[in-house]
Amino acid sequence: KAGVTQTPRYLIKTRGQQVTLSCSPISGHRSVSWYQQTPGQGLQFLFEYFSETQRNKGNFPGRFSGRQFSNSRSEMNVSTLELGDSALYLCASSLVGEGTTYNEQFFGPGTRLTVL
Amino acid sequence: DAKTTQPNSMESNEEEPVHLPCNHSTISGTDYIHWYRQLPSQGPEYVIHGLTSNVNNRMASLAIAEDRKSSTLILHRATLRDAAVYYCIPRKISNFGNEKLTFGTGTRLTIIP
Repeated sequence: KAGVTQTPRYLIKTRGQQVTLSCSPISGHRSVSWYQQTPGQGLQFLFEYFSETQRNKGNFPGRFSGRQFSNSRSEMNVSTLELGDSALYLCASSLVGEGTTYNEQFFGPGTRLTVL
Repeated sequence: DAKTTQPNSMESNEEEPVHLPCNHSTISGTDYIHWYRQLPSQGPEYVIHGLTSNVNNRMASLAIAEDRKSSTLILHRATLRDAAVYYCIPRKISNFGNEKLTFGTGTRLTIIP
């Protein structure tokens, strides 16, 4: 089975621009979560989507948004980029549903976003 | 979310056992203790989880204190590939919901050849 894939792997943007990152979960996984990793704040939860609905949200401003498609693929968008948005953005998928009692999260390699 | 305390860093010699401690004194009765690790330039990966009893898998063992306020991840024979940041994460498990992982600062494990 293919793992979680994220595109692009690297991205350079300038302040004020917007960016869209993509995540393809493992086949059959319906839950997709997004995390931001920075040297100062570490790994922080952004949001989680399940069946195209956002179920959980971290403490980030409204400039950070996401969505999930019917095939479970997910995108996250950051508008009006700030220098502090430079980070590694990680996506994780998990198998959630009837009959699953443990939901191990499988992480992708991340998208490295640099804001100049 | 329960707060965790882990040493910032640890070193171990290759092929020797490593004991990585974690304090989680505010853990709730329904929280499982998860361990994830992040190898250099990769996303985190699952290592092991447990509730009350000690647990073993092919990667590691997890020893949980009787009062559940602390746990220890044991790598029985560390290799260079085990050099990573290790995160201890209390987390509820359910069929529907709470996929959120709350990462602390973790322990950076260095393996000395």
